[in-house]
Amino acid sequence: GAVVSQHPSRVICKSGTSVKIECRSLDFQATTMFWYRQFPKQSLMLMATSNEGSKATYEQGVEKDKFLINHASLTLSTLTVTSAHPEDSSFYICSAGRTVDNSPLHFGNGTRLTVT
Amino acid sequence: KQEVTQIPAALSVPEGENLVLNCSFTDSAIYNLQWFRQDPGKGLTSLLLIQSSQREQTSGRLNASLDKSSGRSTLYIAASQPGDSATYLCAAGGYQKVTFGTGTKLQVIP
Repeated sequence: GAVVSQHPSRVICKSGTSVKIECRSLDFQATTMFWYRQFPKQSLMLMATSNEGSKATYEQGVEKDKFLINHASLTLSTLTVTSAHPEDSSFYICSAGRTVDNSPLHFGNGTRLTVT
Repeated sequence: KQEVTQIPAALSVPEGENLVLNCSFTDSAIYNLQWFRQDPGKGLTSLLLIQSSQREQTSGRLNASLDKSSGRSTLYIAASQPGDSATYLCAAGGYQKVTFGTGTKLQVIP
């Protein structure tokens, strides 16, 4: 069964609004979660690494003020797309692992965001 | 910076054929190599995980190999079926980071 739950699976919002995506590890504690985005016909690109109780680490070129990440507990990380624009429309996927290295990452089912 | 490339980008085969998907990575200092499948508009399904100390893993009709020194991994699919049609992604696992390949879109024709 799924060990990482991502919600919502699909969301449509108007330009200028904010959208929050949740990523939960269901049966284990995840000190680290990862957020990816995928544009059509492209591979997944890491956006940021979310660490429980501390600030997220963003990849180069990812705006931290636009993509707010909160990892308030060992089972929940949230990604908030603020003031969304049509170019933010993408597929967002989170992943979580039990330890920071050498353990398989489990992925959520993704969130399809469409900004109109 | 780790870079992961997959060849071919797309592949179309008749049902029943055996096939090989290739994955290459530039930094051999990885912890593991993972293969996923992704159906259109869907999330990722983990297929096989090879730890850095291992050379291959098998699950049913799937066999994945890993050669760290040459920076290569292959995914072998035996007796392909139409249900195998999907995009296959390899991912090189480093410390706190996973780098995905560009993907191979597979179509198995009945």
